[in-house]
Amino acid sequence: EIVLTQSPATLSLSPGERATLSCRASQNISYYLNWHQQKLGQAPRLLIYDASNRATGIPARFSGSGSGTDFTLTISSLEPEDFAVYYCQQRNSWPLTFGGGTKVEIK
Amino acid sequence: EVQLVESGGGLVKPGGSLRLSCAASGFAFSSHYMNWVRQAPGKGLEWVSSISSSSTYIFYADSVKGRFTISRDNAKNSLYLQMNSLRAEDTAVYYCVRDPRLDNWGQGTLVTVSS
Repeated sequence: EIVLTQSPATLSLSPGERATLSCRASQNISYYLNWHQQKLGQAPRLLIYDASNRATGIPARFSGSGSGTDFTLTISSLEPEDFAVYYCQQRNSWPLTFGGGTKVEIK
Repeated sequence: EVQLVESGGGLVKPGGSLRLSCAASGFAFSSHYMNWVRQAPGKGLEWVSSISSSSTYIFYADSVKGRFTISRDNAKNSLYLQMNSLRAEDTAVYYCVRDPRLDNWGQGTLVTVSS
């Protein structure tokens, strides 16, 4: 099973600041890494697929990078609606696995 | 527009059974892998099971293997999860999700296992 480790667990930032979230895989997963956002009380939604591709309707301030074992989600300038929990997820092999999540909170 | 609507959740006693359903619309259901993902209260996301477009390939998390059965009916655009021998630790919101990319999520249905 591929283990995904997200850091930090919590990120305290102000609107307008840049957010950088990390996800590390326990083995090489090529580019098969997705990022999901979950707001309180809502279902998750896909932000980034295959490491760097924005999903339909996702604003350009969200970007993803990385390959192999190290991946990054960057939010260039935080909007009030971006404060949420972010999960990375790999689809390189079954079982599909998720990271533990990074909570982006208002400082 | 892709829509995934789960139903069938509720309160069940330990050892009991429940069948979840997911009605899909807005896309070619028979062409996509489908998945169940769950989230225990206050916890992270946990993949439960996946089924290929023609049901040829089926995968389960170790935590549910032998107790849960995933299935689909492409003629009805529907996905199912039969859950037997339920335990307290199965308490969660269960999401129906399209594709291994998990690119579209339903709103979820709550399953509570408690005496």
